[in-house]
Amino acid sequence: DAGVTQSPTHLIKTRGQQVTLRCSPKSGHDTVSWYQQALGQGPQFIFQYYEEEERQRGNFPDRFSGHQFPNYSSELNVNALLLGDSALYLCASSWQGTGLYEQYFGPGTRLTVT
Amino acid sequence: GQQLNQSPQSMFIQEGEDVSMNCTSSSIFNTWLWYKQEPGEGPVLLIALYKAGELTSNGRLTAQFGITRKDSFLNISASIPSDVGIYFCAGYGGSNYKLTFGKGTLLTVNP
Repeated sequence: DAGVTQSPTHLIKTRGQQVTLRCSPKSGHDTVSWYQQALGQGPQFIFQYYEEEERQRGNFPDRFSGHQFPNYSSELNVNALLLGDSALYLCASSWQGTGLYEQYFGPGTRLTVT
Repeated sequence: GQQLNQSPQSMFIQEGEDVSMNCTSSSIFNTWLWYKQEPGEGPVLLIALYKAGELTSNGRLTAQFGITRKDSFLNISASIPSDVGIYFCAGYGGSNYKLTFGKGTLLTVNP
């Protein structure tokens, strides 16, 4: 049973560039959420996708956008990167049915902006 | 916005000791989750709590959903070296979709 997978593992970008991170949910899951985790902090909710639509968003600017594909996988896009965007980006999946509240996390993508 | 206050920030204990940590909020949460995160990994779900007063165990871990719905507790009995990591409380408040996390408790176990 494959868990949540994310790619790439690490990424280094320059200020002003754009980045795309990818996530494949756990088998049987249909909902994907994205989180940003700064060093020494808990994960912060960015947004959640279900049925290929964003259904809730946290306090993040429009530079952060996403997409969900028919196979439930998802992408997180960040435009005009700032130094403060350096963080671990986590993807979590869940099942819209009885397992909605139990989110399972991937290993994350470590983004460094220089 | 909703915030979770987690304490203590860190704990350094001897192997075999019991551990307690807690999480409080100024607003009501409908569901509480406890996660453990190790270096270079994503958080791993340990226990989920759905009803006020609920007490749930997972091996040596026991968690409780506070009666006021504004707090939750996690206990680890007879700690072992592999318990080392950061423990996060998390919860759903006004939204069924947005999971709010505490800042974590760093647990170190001395063999």
